[in-house]
Amino acid sequence: NAGVMQNPRHLVRRRGQEARLRCSPMKGHSHVYWYRQLPEEGLKFMVYLQKENIIDESGMPKERFSAEFPKEGPSILRIQQVVRGDSAAYFCASSPRTVLANTGELFFGEGSRLTVL
Amino acid sequence: GESVGLHLPTLSVQEGDNSIINCAYSNSASDYFIWYKQESGKGPQFIIDIRSNMDKRQGQRVTVLLNKTVKHLSLQIAATQPGDSAVYFCAEPNQFYFGTGTSLTVIP
Repeated sequence: NAGVMQNPRHLVRRRGQEARLRCSPMKGHSHVYWYRQLPEEGLKFMVYLQKENIIDESGMPKERFSAEFPKEGPSILRIQQVVRGDSAAYFCASSPRTVLANTGELFFGEGSRLTVL
Repeated sequence: GESVGLHLPTLSVQEGDNSIINCAYSNSASDYFIWYKQESGKGPQFIIDIRSNMDKRQGQRVTVLLNKTVKHLSLQIAATQPGDSAVYFCAEPNQFYFGTGTSLTVIP
């Protein structure tokens, strides 16, 4: 049973370009979460999605960032017009049900490391 | 918003010694916590969880203690091994928040 799959593992972009990060949750999981991790820092929550719905995007920057989790296919985190400050590791996690049900952990992928030149 | 935080950013212990990693939280209504371990270059992995109706929970070489009075929890690792070197996060899943993390280094 494959875990959470993220790709690309490493992405290099120049300032002003777009970055697209993909996340395929574990089989049977319908809830996806995106986190950002800067070097030497903790995990910062960005967005929580279920299939075709954004449930909580309180951690998402208001501009240039967007996320989706379509009915078919992986969840996508999209960063438009990247700046150097966007350089970070972006982790995706999934769960089989809402964590609000207090029923368990988040299963994390290995992360996508974005470098903006 | 309210969040979970850690007391110390780094901890070094001798191999074979016990490690204690602390975490404070601010939301008195929090009733479920998880400890994660993140090895270098990898995503966080679940270690152990605890619910607010418990004060202590034990796993294999790990114990989590929860003190609801002072809103504090700790992760104890017995007989620390080099493979335990990692960053440890406490998390309050209901609010999606993770602490800054404590970087544990095991000295052989």
